[in-house]
Amino acid sequence: EVQLVQSGAEVKKPGESLKISCKGSGNSFASYWVAWVRQMSGKGLEWMGIIYPGDSDTKYSPSFQGQVTISADKSISTVYLQWNSLKASDTAMYYCARLISVSGGYFDLWGQGTLVTVSS
Amino acid sequence: DIQMTQSPSSLSASVGDRVTITCQASQDIYNYLNWYQQKPGKAPKLLIYDASKLETGVPSRFSGSGSGTDFTFSISSLQPEDIATYYCQQYDDLLFTFGPGTKVDIK
Repeated sequence: EVQLVQSGAEVKKPGESLKISCKGSGNSFASYWVAWVRQMSGKGLEWMGIIYPGDSDTKYSPSFQGQVTISADKSISTVYLQWNSLKASDTAMYYCARLISVSGGYFDLWGQGTLVTVSS
Repeated sequence: DIQMTQSPSSLSASVGDRVTITCQASQDIYNYLNWYQQKPGKAPKLLIYDASKLETGVPSRFSGSGSGTDFTFSISSLQPEDIATYYCQQYDDLLFTFGPGTKVDIK
């Protein structure tokens, strides 16, 4: 069964750096775009950006450009979401999701989520 | 950027009722519109893709329709397990936007 398995919950202080991960199973991981989606407590879903692990081609939402870095290591079927200097406002649940793009594009497979808490 | 609106923001209905949610895009998105269900504490789950196609394994009481800028999602007979928040999502050349969500609960 194909899965996306995310790294565990994190508690960080403002100003610290963080890199969370999303590991895919299956041989074809590098052939699908993988997105990151933020969900702040009690709020809706926000698309942050997307990466193609095969060549690390990346596209960011204008709202998140420059705020985070998305990267991938196709050799271990893993994509990452990274912050250089966390803020309290980065506190949220973060999901990775696999894109299926034939005509349109939809997210058919989701990770379980990684809760990031930023507090002094 | 393409903006998405959803209505209502919440609704309360009885078991067995038909429930309808609408989603509107700020510009023509053809049929590149998808619907997700999210239960509390869980990741979203794809229900409908390309406006009207039912994802494998999803019960047939869920349906979607529409094209262009106006879309509709329906549950033909609301069940207790359908209590969740429902989101529409558009796709435009590797740019994505989710609607604000509709919270559905049982009256």
